[in-house]
Amino acid sequence: GIQVEQSPPDLILQEGANSTLRCNFSDSVNNLQWFHQNPWGQLINLFYIPSGTKQNGRLSATTVATERYSLLYISSSQTTDSGVYFCAVENSNSGYALNFGKGTSLLVTP
Amino acid sequence: NAGVTQTPKFQVLKTGQSMTLQCAQDMNHNSMYWYRQDPGMGLRLIYYSASEGTTDKGEVPNGYNVSRLNKREFSLRLESAAPSQTSVYFCASRRDSVTEAFFGQGTRLTVV
Repeated sequence: GIQVEQSPPDLILQEGANSTLRCNFSDSVNNLQWFHQNPWGQLINLFYIPSGTKQNGRLSATTVATERYSLLYISSSQTTDSGVYFCAVENSNSGYALNFGKGTSLLVTP
Repeated sequence: NAGVTQTPKFQVLKTGQSMTLQCAQDMNHNSMYWYRQDPGMGLRLIYYSASEGTTDKGEVPNGYNVSRLNKREFSLRLESAAPSQTSVYFCASRRDSVTEAFFGQGTRLTVV
């Protein structure tokens, strides 16, 4: 099946800093989502972005499908951004479901 | 709109006991999924139902059964719980394949 690698695995930031999270995948995809798992365990949809660029407030994402990667940008980080960020992808060979990376664990300190 | 609702939120079982995790969605989605999440891991697919009346195995189906009761509801059953099934279980739904998926709040299951 399709492999998903996220980097870095862990990240510690001070409030106000910017960061870039990366998701590499091993095959072409027709679906890609970014999720934020908050400290209470909820999975929150951030972006549905199989290609192109989207922005939502301080967060933005870019997927370059031809080069098999996606980036999640967090600007002016806040403590509420802490948690784990997951990238999940899908293609016609992945069994009609999303395949998840292992996530990037982000801690934003005051 | 409740979205995807899972019950219960927490459960402790003894080894060998059985239980059913319930999932319901109110978004009129065709496809529903069960995932498990273990520490330090991403989510792994247990079973899915691409449409009402169909179910298929995912990456880690052993020890589980599912039922797509109707379009809204998709249940996951553990017939004889084992400590290796201690995990957080997530249900998800989406309109069809390749569309945006939405997740429930999770069920934290401990098997002792």
